[in-house]
Parts: sequence; C-alpha cells; structure tokens
Amino acid sequence: GQQVMQIPQYQHVQEGEDFTTYCNSSTTLSNIQWYKQRPGGHPVFLIQLVKSGEVKKQKRLTFQFGEAKKNSSLHITATQTTDVGTYFCAGRRGQTSYDKVIFGPGTSLSVIP
Amino acid sequence: NAGVTQTPKFQVLKTGQSMTLQCAQDMNHEYMSWYRQDPGMGLRLIHYSVGAGITDQGEVPNGYNVSRSTTEDFPLRLLSAAPSQTSVYFCASSYGPEGYTFGSGTRLTVV
Repeated sequence: GQQVMQIPQYQHVQEGEDFTTYCNSSTTLSNIQWYKQRPGGHPVFLIQLVKSGEVKKQKRLTFQFGEAKKNSSLHITATQTTDVGTYFCAGRRGQTSYDKVIFGPGTSLSVIP
Repeated sequence: NAGVTQTPKFQVLKTGQSMTLQCAQDMNHEYMSWYRQDPGMGLRLIHYSVGAGITDQGEVPNGYNVSRSTTEDFPLRLLSAAPSQTSVYFCASSYGPEGYTFGSGTRLTVV
C-alpha cells in the first residue's frame, strides 16, 4: 500500500538555525499537505501543494513539491521557539475527497533558546 | 463557528467495555475521518466518510465501528475495548480535497 516517510524523526536546533524536514512517498501523489502539531495539541493545517515543482512560502516557512510528485520538503529559516512541535506531511493519490490521505510519521522539532 | 468538536476529552475504560467517541462539525464539510495517534506512529486512519450514509475503512479499522447519519456527526464506537486501543483519537473534517480541520482529540486509556 501507499507509504509516506519522513526524515529526520527528531531534530534539535539552536534558536536562529535553519531546519528542514523531508517527506517521501512510495507512490506518485496528486497533492501533499503539511500540518503542525504543538506538544499536547492537535494537528493544524499549514498548506497544500498540488503542482509538480511547486514552491510556496509562508513567512519563514518554505514548502516544495518535487518534480515527480513523490517527495516534498519543509524548510524553516531562522527558527524561533514558537516553531517547536511536530511537522507532518500527508499525501493523497487521487483528486477527490474519496481518496484517502496518508500521514507520514512526523518530524519533531525542538528549539533551544 | 465551533469547527470540529470532540467529546469526551479524556476517558478511562476497563478492558471489554464499549463506548462511543463523539465528533461534530458545523462547517458543512462532506468529508470526516477518525485517526489514532500513537508515539512514533504518526496519525493512522481508522475510518472515514465522504458524506451522510457513506463510510469506509482506513488503515486500522479492526475493533471500531462508525456511522454517518447526518453531515454534522461522525461517532466512533469501540465495541470491546482492549489495552491496544489506548491512544489519542482525532476526528478531522474537510471540504472536498482540501486541508483537514482537526478536533482537539480524545485521550483514551484502556486498563
């Protein structure tokens, strides 16, 4: 079945350093979503990427969708303590809500002040 | 606009007991789903629904039942609780193939 993998599992950075998490799917995706979950909280939707090679930015966060639509990355520039949490990617193969979204295991980010 | 509301927030069950986790959304979302989250395992899909009267199984459906009689509600039933069902359960909804809105979760412990 479809699998979505993420690396690294954990990342500890000094405040101000950059951070990148990578997401890889075993199958071609129609879109990929990214979520952030703060400790003790629930996942919150950040963004969805649809097009091959797409790059989107949200302030210090940059999201990329690979050319083959099988991988994606999230890059945070100059991390802050508010960036602490687990970042999940989630891939969908089909175009409609009938198609299941499969979540990766997440990357847990710790930021040392 | 409350979003996705889950009740209860915490629950302790004895092995063999049954219970229903409630999920309601007020956004007229057609798609609703249940996930369980265990340490290091990410979010695993239990059941999902693409509209009232339509449900389907996810990755880990065994031991759980769902029904969708209205657009707003999507309850998850544990038939006979087992310690392996100790987890955090999240309900999520979306409009079409858009990003999910998650509820705040139910933390379930089965002893």
